[in-house]
Amino acid sequence: QVQLVQSGTEVKKPGASVRVSCKASGYTFTGYHMHWVRQAPGQGLEWMGWINPNTGGTNQAQKFQGRVTLTRDTSINTAYMDLGRLTSDDTAVYYCASGPDFFDYWGQGTLVTVSS
Amino acid sequence: DVVMTQSPDSLTVSLGERATINCKSSRTLLYSSNNKNYLAWFQQKPGQPPKLLLSWASTRESGVPERFSGSGSGTDFTLTISSLQADDVAVYYCQQYFRTPYTFGQGSKLEIK
Repeated sequence: QVQLVQSGTEVKKPGASVRVSCKASGYTFTGYHMHWVRQAPGQGLEWMGWINPNTGGTNQAQKFQGRVTLTRDTSINTAYMDLGRLTSDDTAVYYCASGPDFFDYWGQGTLVTVSS
Repeated sequence: DVVMTQSPDSLTVSLGERATINCKSSRTLLYSSNNKNYLAWFQQKPGQPPKLLLSWASTRESGVPERFSGSGSGTDFTLTISSLQADDVAVYYCQQYFRTPYTFGQGSKLEIK
């Protein structure tokens, strides 16, 4: 069955960077864009960007440009989201999502807490 | 950016009754070349990732109960739960994927009366 398994909880200090990984199985990793979506505590959903695992091409929301880097390693069917210059506003659960209808499959979420 | 506005923000419905959530887009989500509306509906329960219920405004995903249906075109869309079950308590989001940045509505919290 399709699974997106994300890396574990992270606690970071302001100004630091964080990397979240998302390992895909059960479908062709290079077949669909991988999206990243975040959700601050008690808040709604915010799309951050996507990576085309086949070409490595990316598209990020302007809000995150210059601060987020989306990459992938097709040898291990894993996508990565790096977010730099963290502030307390980046405290959120980060999700990866993919699928033929864009957001069919979701990871379990990774909590990133930014605190001094 | 395309702004997605849902109404109501919260609703309380009795078991077995109909629940309706509306979603309005600031720009058309209908792509004329393929006559498809780039609009999805998600259900999110506490502590869980969102679950895709419907894509293309009205196409139910595999395994989603038939009581969930979507309608609308262009800028105005509706999610209908025909006969509310206890398991339907959740927050529901609409999302446009017509153009990036893909944007979500603010969410509508559904509770049981």
